[in-house]
Amino acid sequence: DIQMTQSPSSVSASVGDRVIITCQASQNISSWLAWYQHKPGKAPKVLIFPASSLQSGVPSRFSGSGSGTDFSLTISSLQPEDFATYFCQQANSFPLTFGGGTKVEIK
Amino acid sequence: QLLLQESGPGLVKPSETLSLTCSVSGGSISSSSYSWGWIRQPPEKGLEWIGNIYYSGSTYYTPSLKSRVTISVDTSKNRFSLKLISVTAADTAVYYCARHDREAVPTAAYYYYYFYMDVWGKGTTVTVSS
Repeated sequence: DIQMTQSPSSVSASVGDRVIITCQASQNISSWLAWYQHKPGKAPKVLIFPASSLQSGVPSRFSGSGSGTDFSLTISSLQPEDFATYFCQQANSFPLTFGGGTKVEIK
Repeated sequence: QLLLQESGPGLVKPSETLSLTCSVSGGSISSSSYSWGWIRQPPEKGLEWIGNIYYSGSTYYTPSLKSRVTISVDTSKNRFSLKLISVTAADTAVYYCARHDREAVPTAAYYYYYFYMDVWGKGTTVTVSS
C-alpha cells in the first residue's frame, strides 16, 4: 500500500494568514492526488484533483501543487469558513489511501 | 444535487455482522462513469478506504478487510450496502459512503482509471461493544 504522510497534524492560524499543508507519498504517484476539506458533522468536500486542479466552485484562495512524492495545499488568505480538517488521498493505485489529516484551528 | 445518506445500527456486538446502507438521491446509481464505496475513520485515527463497487457489481476491496467485507448494490432502490462480518472493537468507527469519480488515461491496450471521492455522505457512527 502507498503510505501518505501529512503535516502538520494541526496548525493554529488567524484570518488572513497563509497556510501550507504538505503531503508526502511513499512512492511516486505522479499527479494523482486529491485534497479534501472536512467540517464536523458535514460531508467531506473535494477541493482539488488531480494535484493542482481546483474543483468547480472551490474558491481561488485554495491551490495545490507538487508531483511525484511531494505535494502541498495552500490557502492564500485564510477565511473564517476555512477552519476545518484537511486531508489528502492518493489515487494512483488500489487500495486508495489517505493522509492523517491537518486540523486548521483559530489562533 | 446528489446526496448520499448512510443508515444502519449504531451499535453492533463483537463477532456479529455490521450492516450499513447508503441511499443515493438526486441522481442514479446506474452510471458506468462512477463507482460507489465506503470509507471509515476510527476514533483518533485517519481515514481508511474499505472498497468500491460499480452498478454492474464489480468490486474492489482493501486487502486488509477483504476476507470480511462485502459491498453490494441495489439499482432498483438506488442504494448500495456494506457488510462486515466478525466485527471487533477495532471496527468501531465513523463510516462514510461516497461516490467515486475517476480520471481515465488511455494506454496502448486499455484505459487506466484514477479514483477520487467527489460526493460524500455525512457519516454514521458504529460502535462495536457488548
